Amino acid sequence: DQQVKQNSPSLSVQEGRISILNCDYTNSMFDYFLWYKKYPAEGPTFLISISSIKDKNEDGRFTVFLNKSAKHLSLHIVPSQPGDSAVYFCAAHIIQSTDKLIFGTGTRLQVFP
Amino acid sequence: NAGVMQNPRHLVRRRGQEARLRCSPMKGHSHVYWYRQLPEEGLKFMVYLQKENIIDESGMPKERFSAEFPKEGPSILRIQQVVRGDSAAYFCASSPRGQPNEKLFFGSGTQLSVL
Repeated sequence: DQQVKQNSPSLSVQEGRISILNCDYTNSMFDYFLWYKKYPAEGPTFLISISSIKDKNEDGRFTVFLNKSAKHLSLHIVPSQPGDSAVYFCAAHIIQSTDKLIFGTGTRLQVFP
Repeated sequence: NAGVMQNPRHLVRRRGQEARLRCSPMKGHSHVYWYRQLPEEGLKFMVYLQKENIIDESGMPKERFSAEFPKEGPSILRIQQVVRGDSAAYFCASSPRGQPNEKLFFGSGTQLSVL
């Protein structure tokens, strides 16, 4: 029972264009969502988060959008840079529970020149 | 300003042996989380510990796996009698207070290979 789903295992985008990574969830109790970025042979690093009381959060080139009715969130990266090439994990948790993150399976983003 | 330190980076064990994975959280962090990533899958929560206490072990397999976070020293994830299906990357993360919405800081992981 995959509660957080990233249906696109990979995405290839040209440098300078927009990258859009998608994530769907099934548990309506989730109230906090995060994106982590992972390079090979390294641990995930936090990128950006959003609370369920918001529908958008922006940090520089990164924006996360949340559509609660559709149980869908997306990460937009614009403009995309070659250094953004990594695996991106969507994660969710329930604030009232222990701080356990539920991760998606990841999307491998490749930004080419 | 060391981050979360995990060792070893790579661990090779034969079936039936024991594996011990170590995690030193960031300085000042007293909450540790272990996650496992199987090939082609996302990270799966295993266990959440505070110093000397297991807070949530709902993701831990019922047998062969145990975790501790003693008052002094690193957190240890111990796998007894390893099997090939235990081959995975094991990540440790820490947070300062275990509060909701605190971001987790991950180590670089231990890649366990069971022959």
